[in-house]
Amino acid sequence: KNQVEQSPQSLIILEGKNCTLQCNYTVSPFSNLRWYKQDTGRGPVSLTIMTFSENTKSNGRYTATLDADTKQSSLHITASQLSDSASYICVVSAWGGFQKLVFGTGTRLLVSP
Amino acid sequence: GAGVSQTPSNKVTEKGKYVELRCDPISGHTALYWYRQSLGQGPEFLIYFQGTGAADDSGLPNDRFFAVRPEGSVSTLKIQRTERGDSAVYLCASSAQGGTVTDTQYFGPGTRLTVL
Repeated sequence: KNQVEQSPQSLIILEGKNCTLQCNYTVSPFSNLRWYKQDTGRGPVSLTIMTFSENTKSNGRYTATLDADTKQSSLHITASQLSDSASYICVVSAWGGFQKLVFGTGTRLLVSP
Repeated sequence: GAGVSQTPSNKVTEKGKYVELRCDPISGHTALYWYRQSLGQGPEFLIYFQGTGAADDSGLPNDRFFAVRPEGSVSTLKIQRTERGDSAVYLCASSAQGGTVTDTQYFGPGTRLTVL
C-alpha cells in the first residue's frame, strides 16, 4: 500500500530559528515528491517539487532534499517567521497516467514570537 | 477567477440526506481532482477528471458518492444517504493538463461537510 509518513507530528520553535521536517515514503511507481504548506482553513499550496533525479530544491527560505534510494525527504526552514505557522504536508506522486497524490498526515508547525 | 473556488464553504446536513458540493476550477485547466480530508489526516484521493470524463474514480469509497463534470469545467460531487462518517473537508484541485510528470495541482479552500 502506498504510504507517506511524516515526523514530527507537531513542532514549536521560536521566531528566527531553523527547523527540519522529515518524510518517509513507500509509493510506487514514484513520479515526484512535493512539500505543501496548508494554512488553517485553506487548501494546500505547493512549495517544492522534486523528481527522481533531483536531490535538493530551494524556494526562498524553504529547502527540500530527496534521497530516492532510502525513500526519505526533508524540508528545512531557515530563519522562521510567524507566518510559517501552518501544516507542512509531504506529498508523493504515484504515476498512473496522471499525478495520483499520496499525502502524509503533515507536521503542524507553530512559530512563537 | 484567479484560483479554484468551492461552494459552499460549510455544509451541515442530517444523516440520510443528499448533498452536492461544487468546484470551479482555474479557467482552462483540463484536469480536476476531488480529495477528502478527515480531521488530523492528509487528503485522500477520490476521483480524477480529464475533461468531461472520470479517468480514475478508484478513490470513491462506495456507490453513495458520485461526481460529474458535464462541460469539462465545473464539477459537482454528490453524496447520497449521508452518514456521520462522511463528515470531512472535501478539497477540489485542478491542473493544466494532468498527464505530465511535473503537472501541479492547485487546491481550492475546501467544503467542510458535517453530518449530524
